[in-house]
Amino acid sequence: GAVVSQHPSRVICKSGTSVKIECRSLDFQATTMFWYRQFPKQSLMLMATSNEGSKATYEQGVEKDKFLINHASLTLSTLTVTSAHPEDSSFYICSAPLAGSWNNEQFFGPGTRLTVL
Amino acid sequence: DQQVKQNSPSLSVQEGRISILNCDYTNSMFDYFLWYKKYPAEGPTFLISISSIKDKNEDGRFTVFLNKSAKHLSLHIVPSQPGDSAVYFCAASIQGAQKLVFGQGTRLTINP
Repeated sequence: GAVVSQHPSRVICKSGTSVKIECRSLDFQATTMFWYRQFPKQSLMLMATSNEGSKATYEQGVEKDKFLINHASLTLSTLTVTSAHPEDSSFYICSAPLAGSWNNEQFFGPGTRLTVL
Repeated sequence: DQQVKQNSPSLSVQEGRISILNCDYTNSMFDYFLWYKKYPAEGPTFLISISSIKDKNEDGRFTVFLNKSAKHLSLHIVPSQPGDSAVYFCAASIQGAQKLVFGQGTRLTINP
C-alpha cells in the first residue's frame, strides 16, 4: 500500500519560534496533500490543501500567514508553524490521495506532536 | 456545520461480540463513505469504504451498511477482538473533490 511519512514525529519548541513539519509520499506521487490538526479527544480538522506547483488552499478560520505550506515536489509538502504559541500545540497529520482512487481514499502520515512551551 | 456526525463518543463491547459504530451525514452530495481506525499518536489507517450506489460492503470481519434515505451508515465488526480497540472515524467525500469530511470519532473498547 501507499506510504506517507512525517518528520519529525514530535517537537518541543519555545513560544515565538517557527517549526517546520515535513510530509513525504514514499512510493507514489501526490500532486495534492492535506494537512489536519487534531486536539485531544476531538476530530480531525482539515487545515489546508497543499497543491504541487501552486498556492495552498486554506480552510475557513485557518491563518495562512501563520501556517505556511509549501508543496515543493510531487512527494514533499511542508507545513511551517510560524511564531508558534502554546495554543498551537496539537497533533498535526498530513495525508495524500492516490491518483485515480475510486473512493478518494487518503493515506495518512503518522502525525507530528507539537508542544509549544 | 457538522456535515458528518458520530453521536456516540465511546462504545464498549465484549470480545467476540458484534461492534456497531454509527455515522450520520447531512450532505446528500456525498458519493463515498470511508471508515478509518486510529490509535493514539498515530495517523488514521483506512479500513473499508462504500460507494453511494451500494448499500453494503463487506471485507472480512468488517461490514459497512449505507442507508441513503436515512443518511446513515454503520460499521459492523464481528467478532470483535481486543486489537480492534481504537478510535474509529467515519468520513465522506464528493466525487471530483478529494477532500474528506470527518466525523468526531467513536472510541471503541473491546473488553476481554
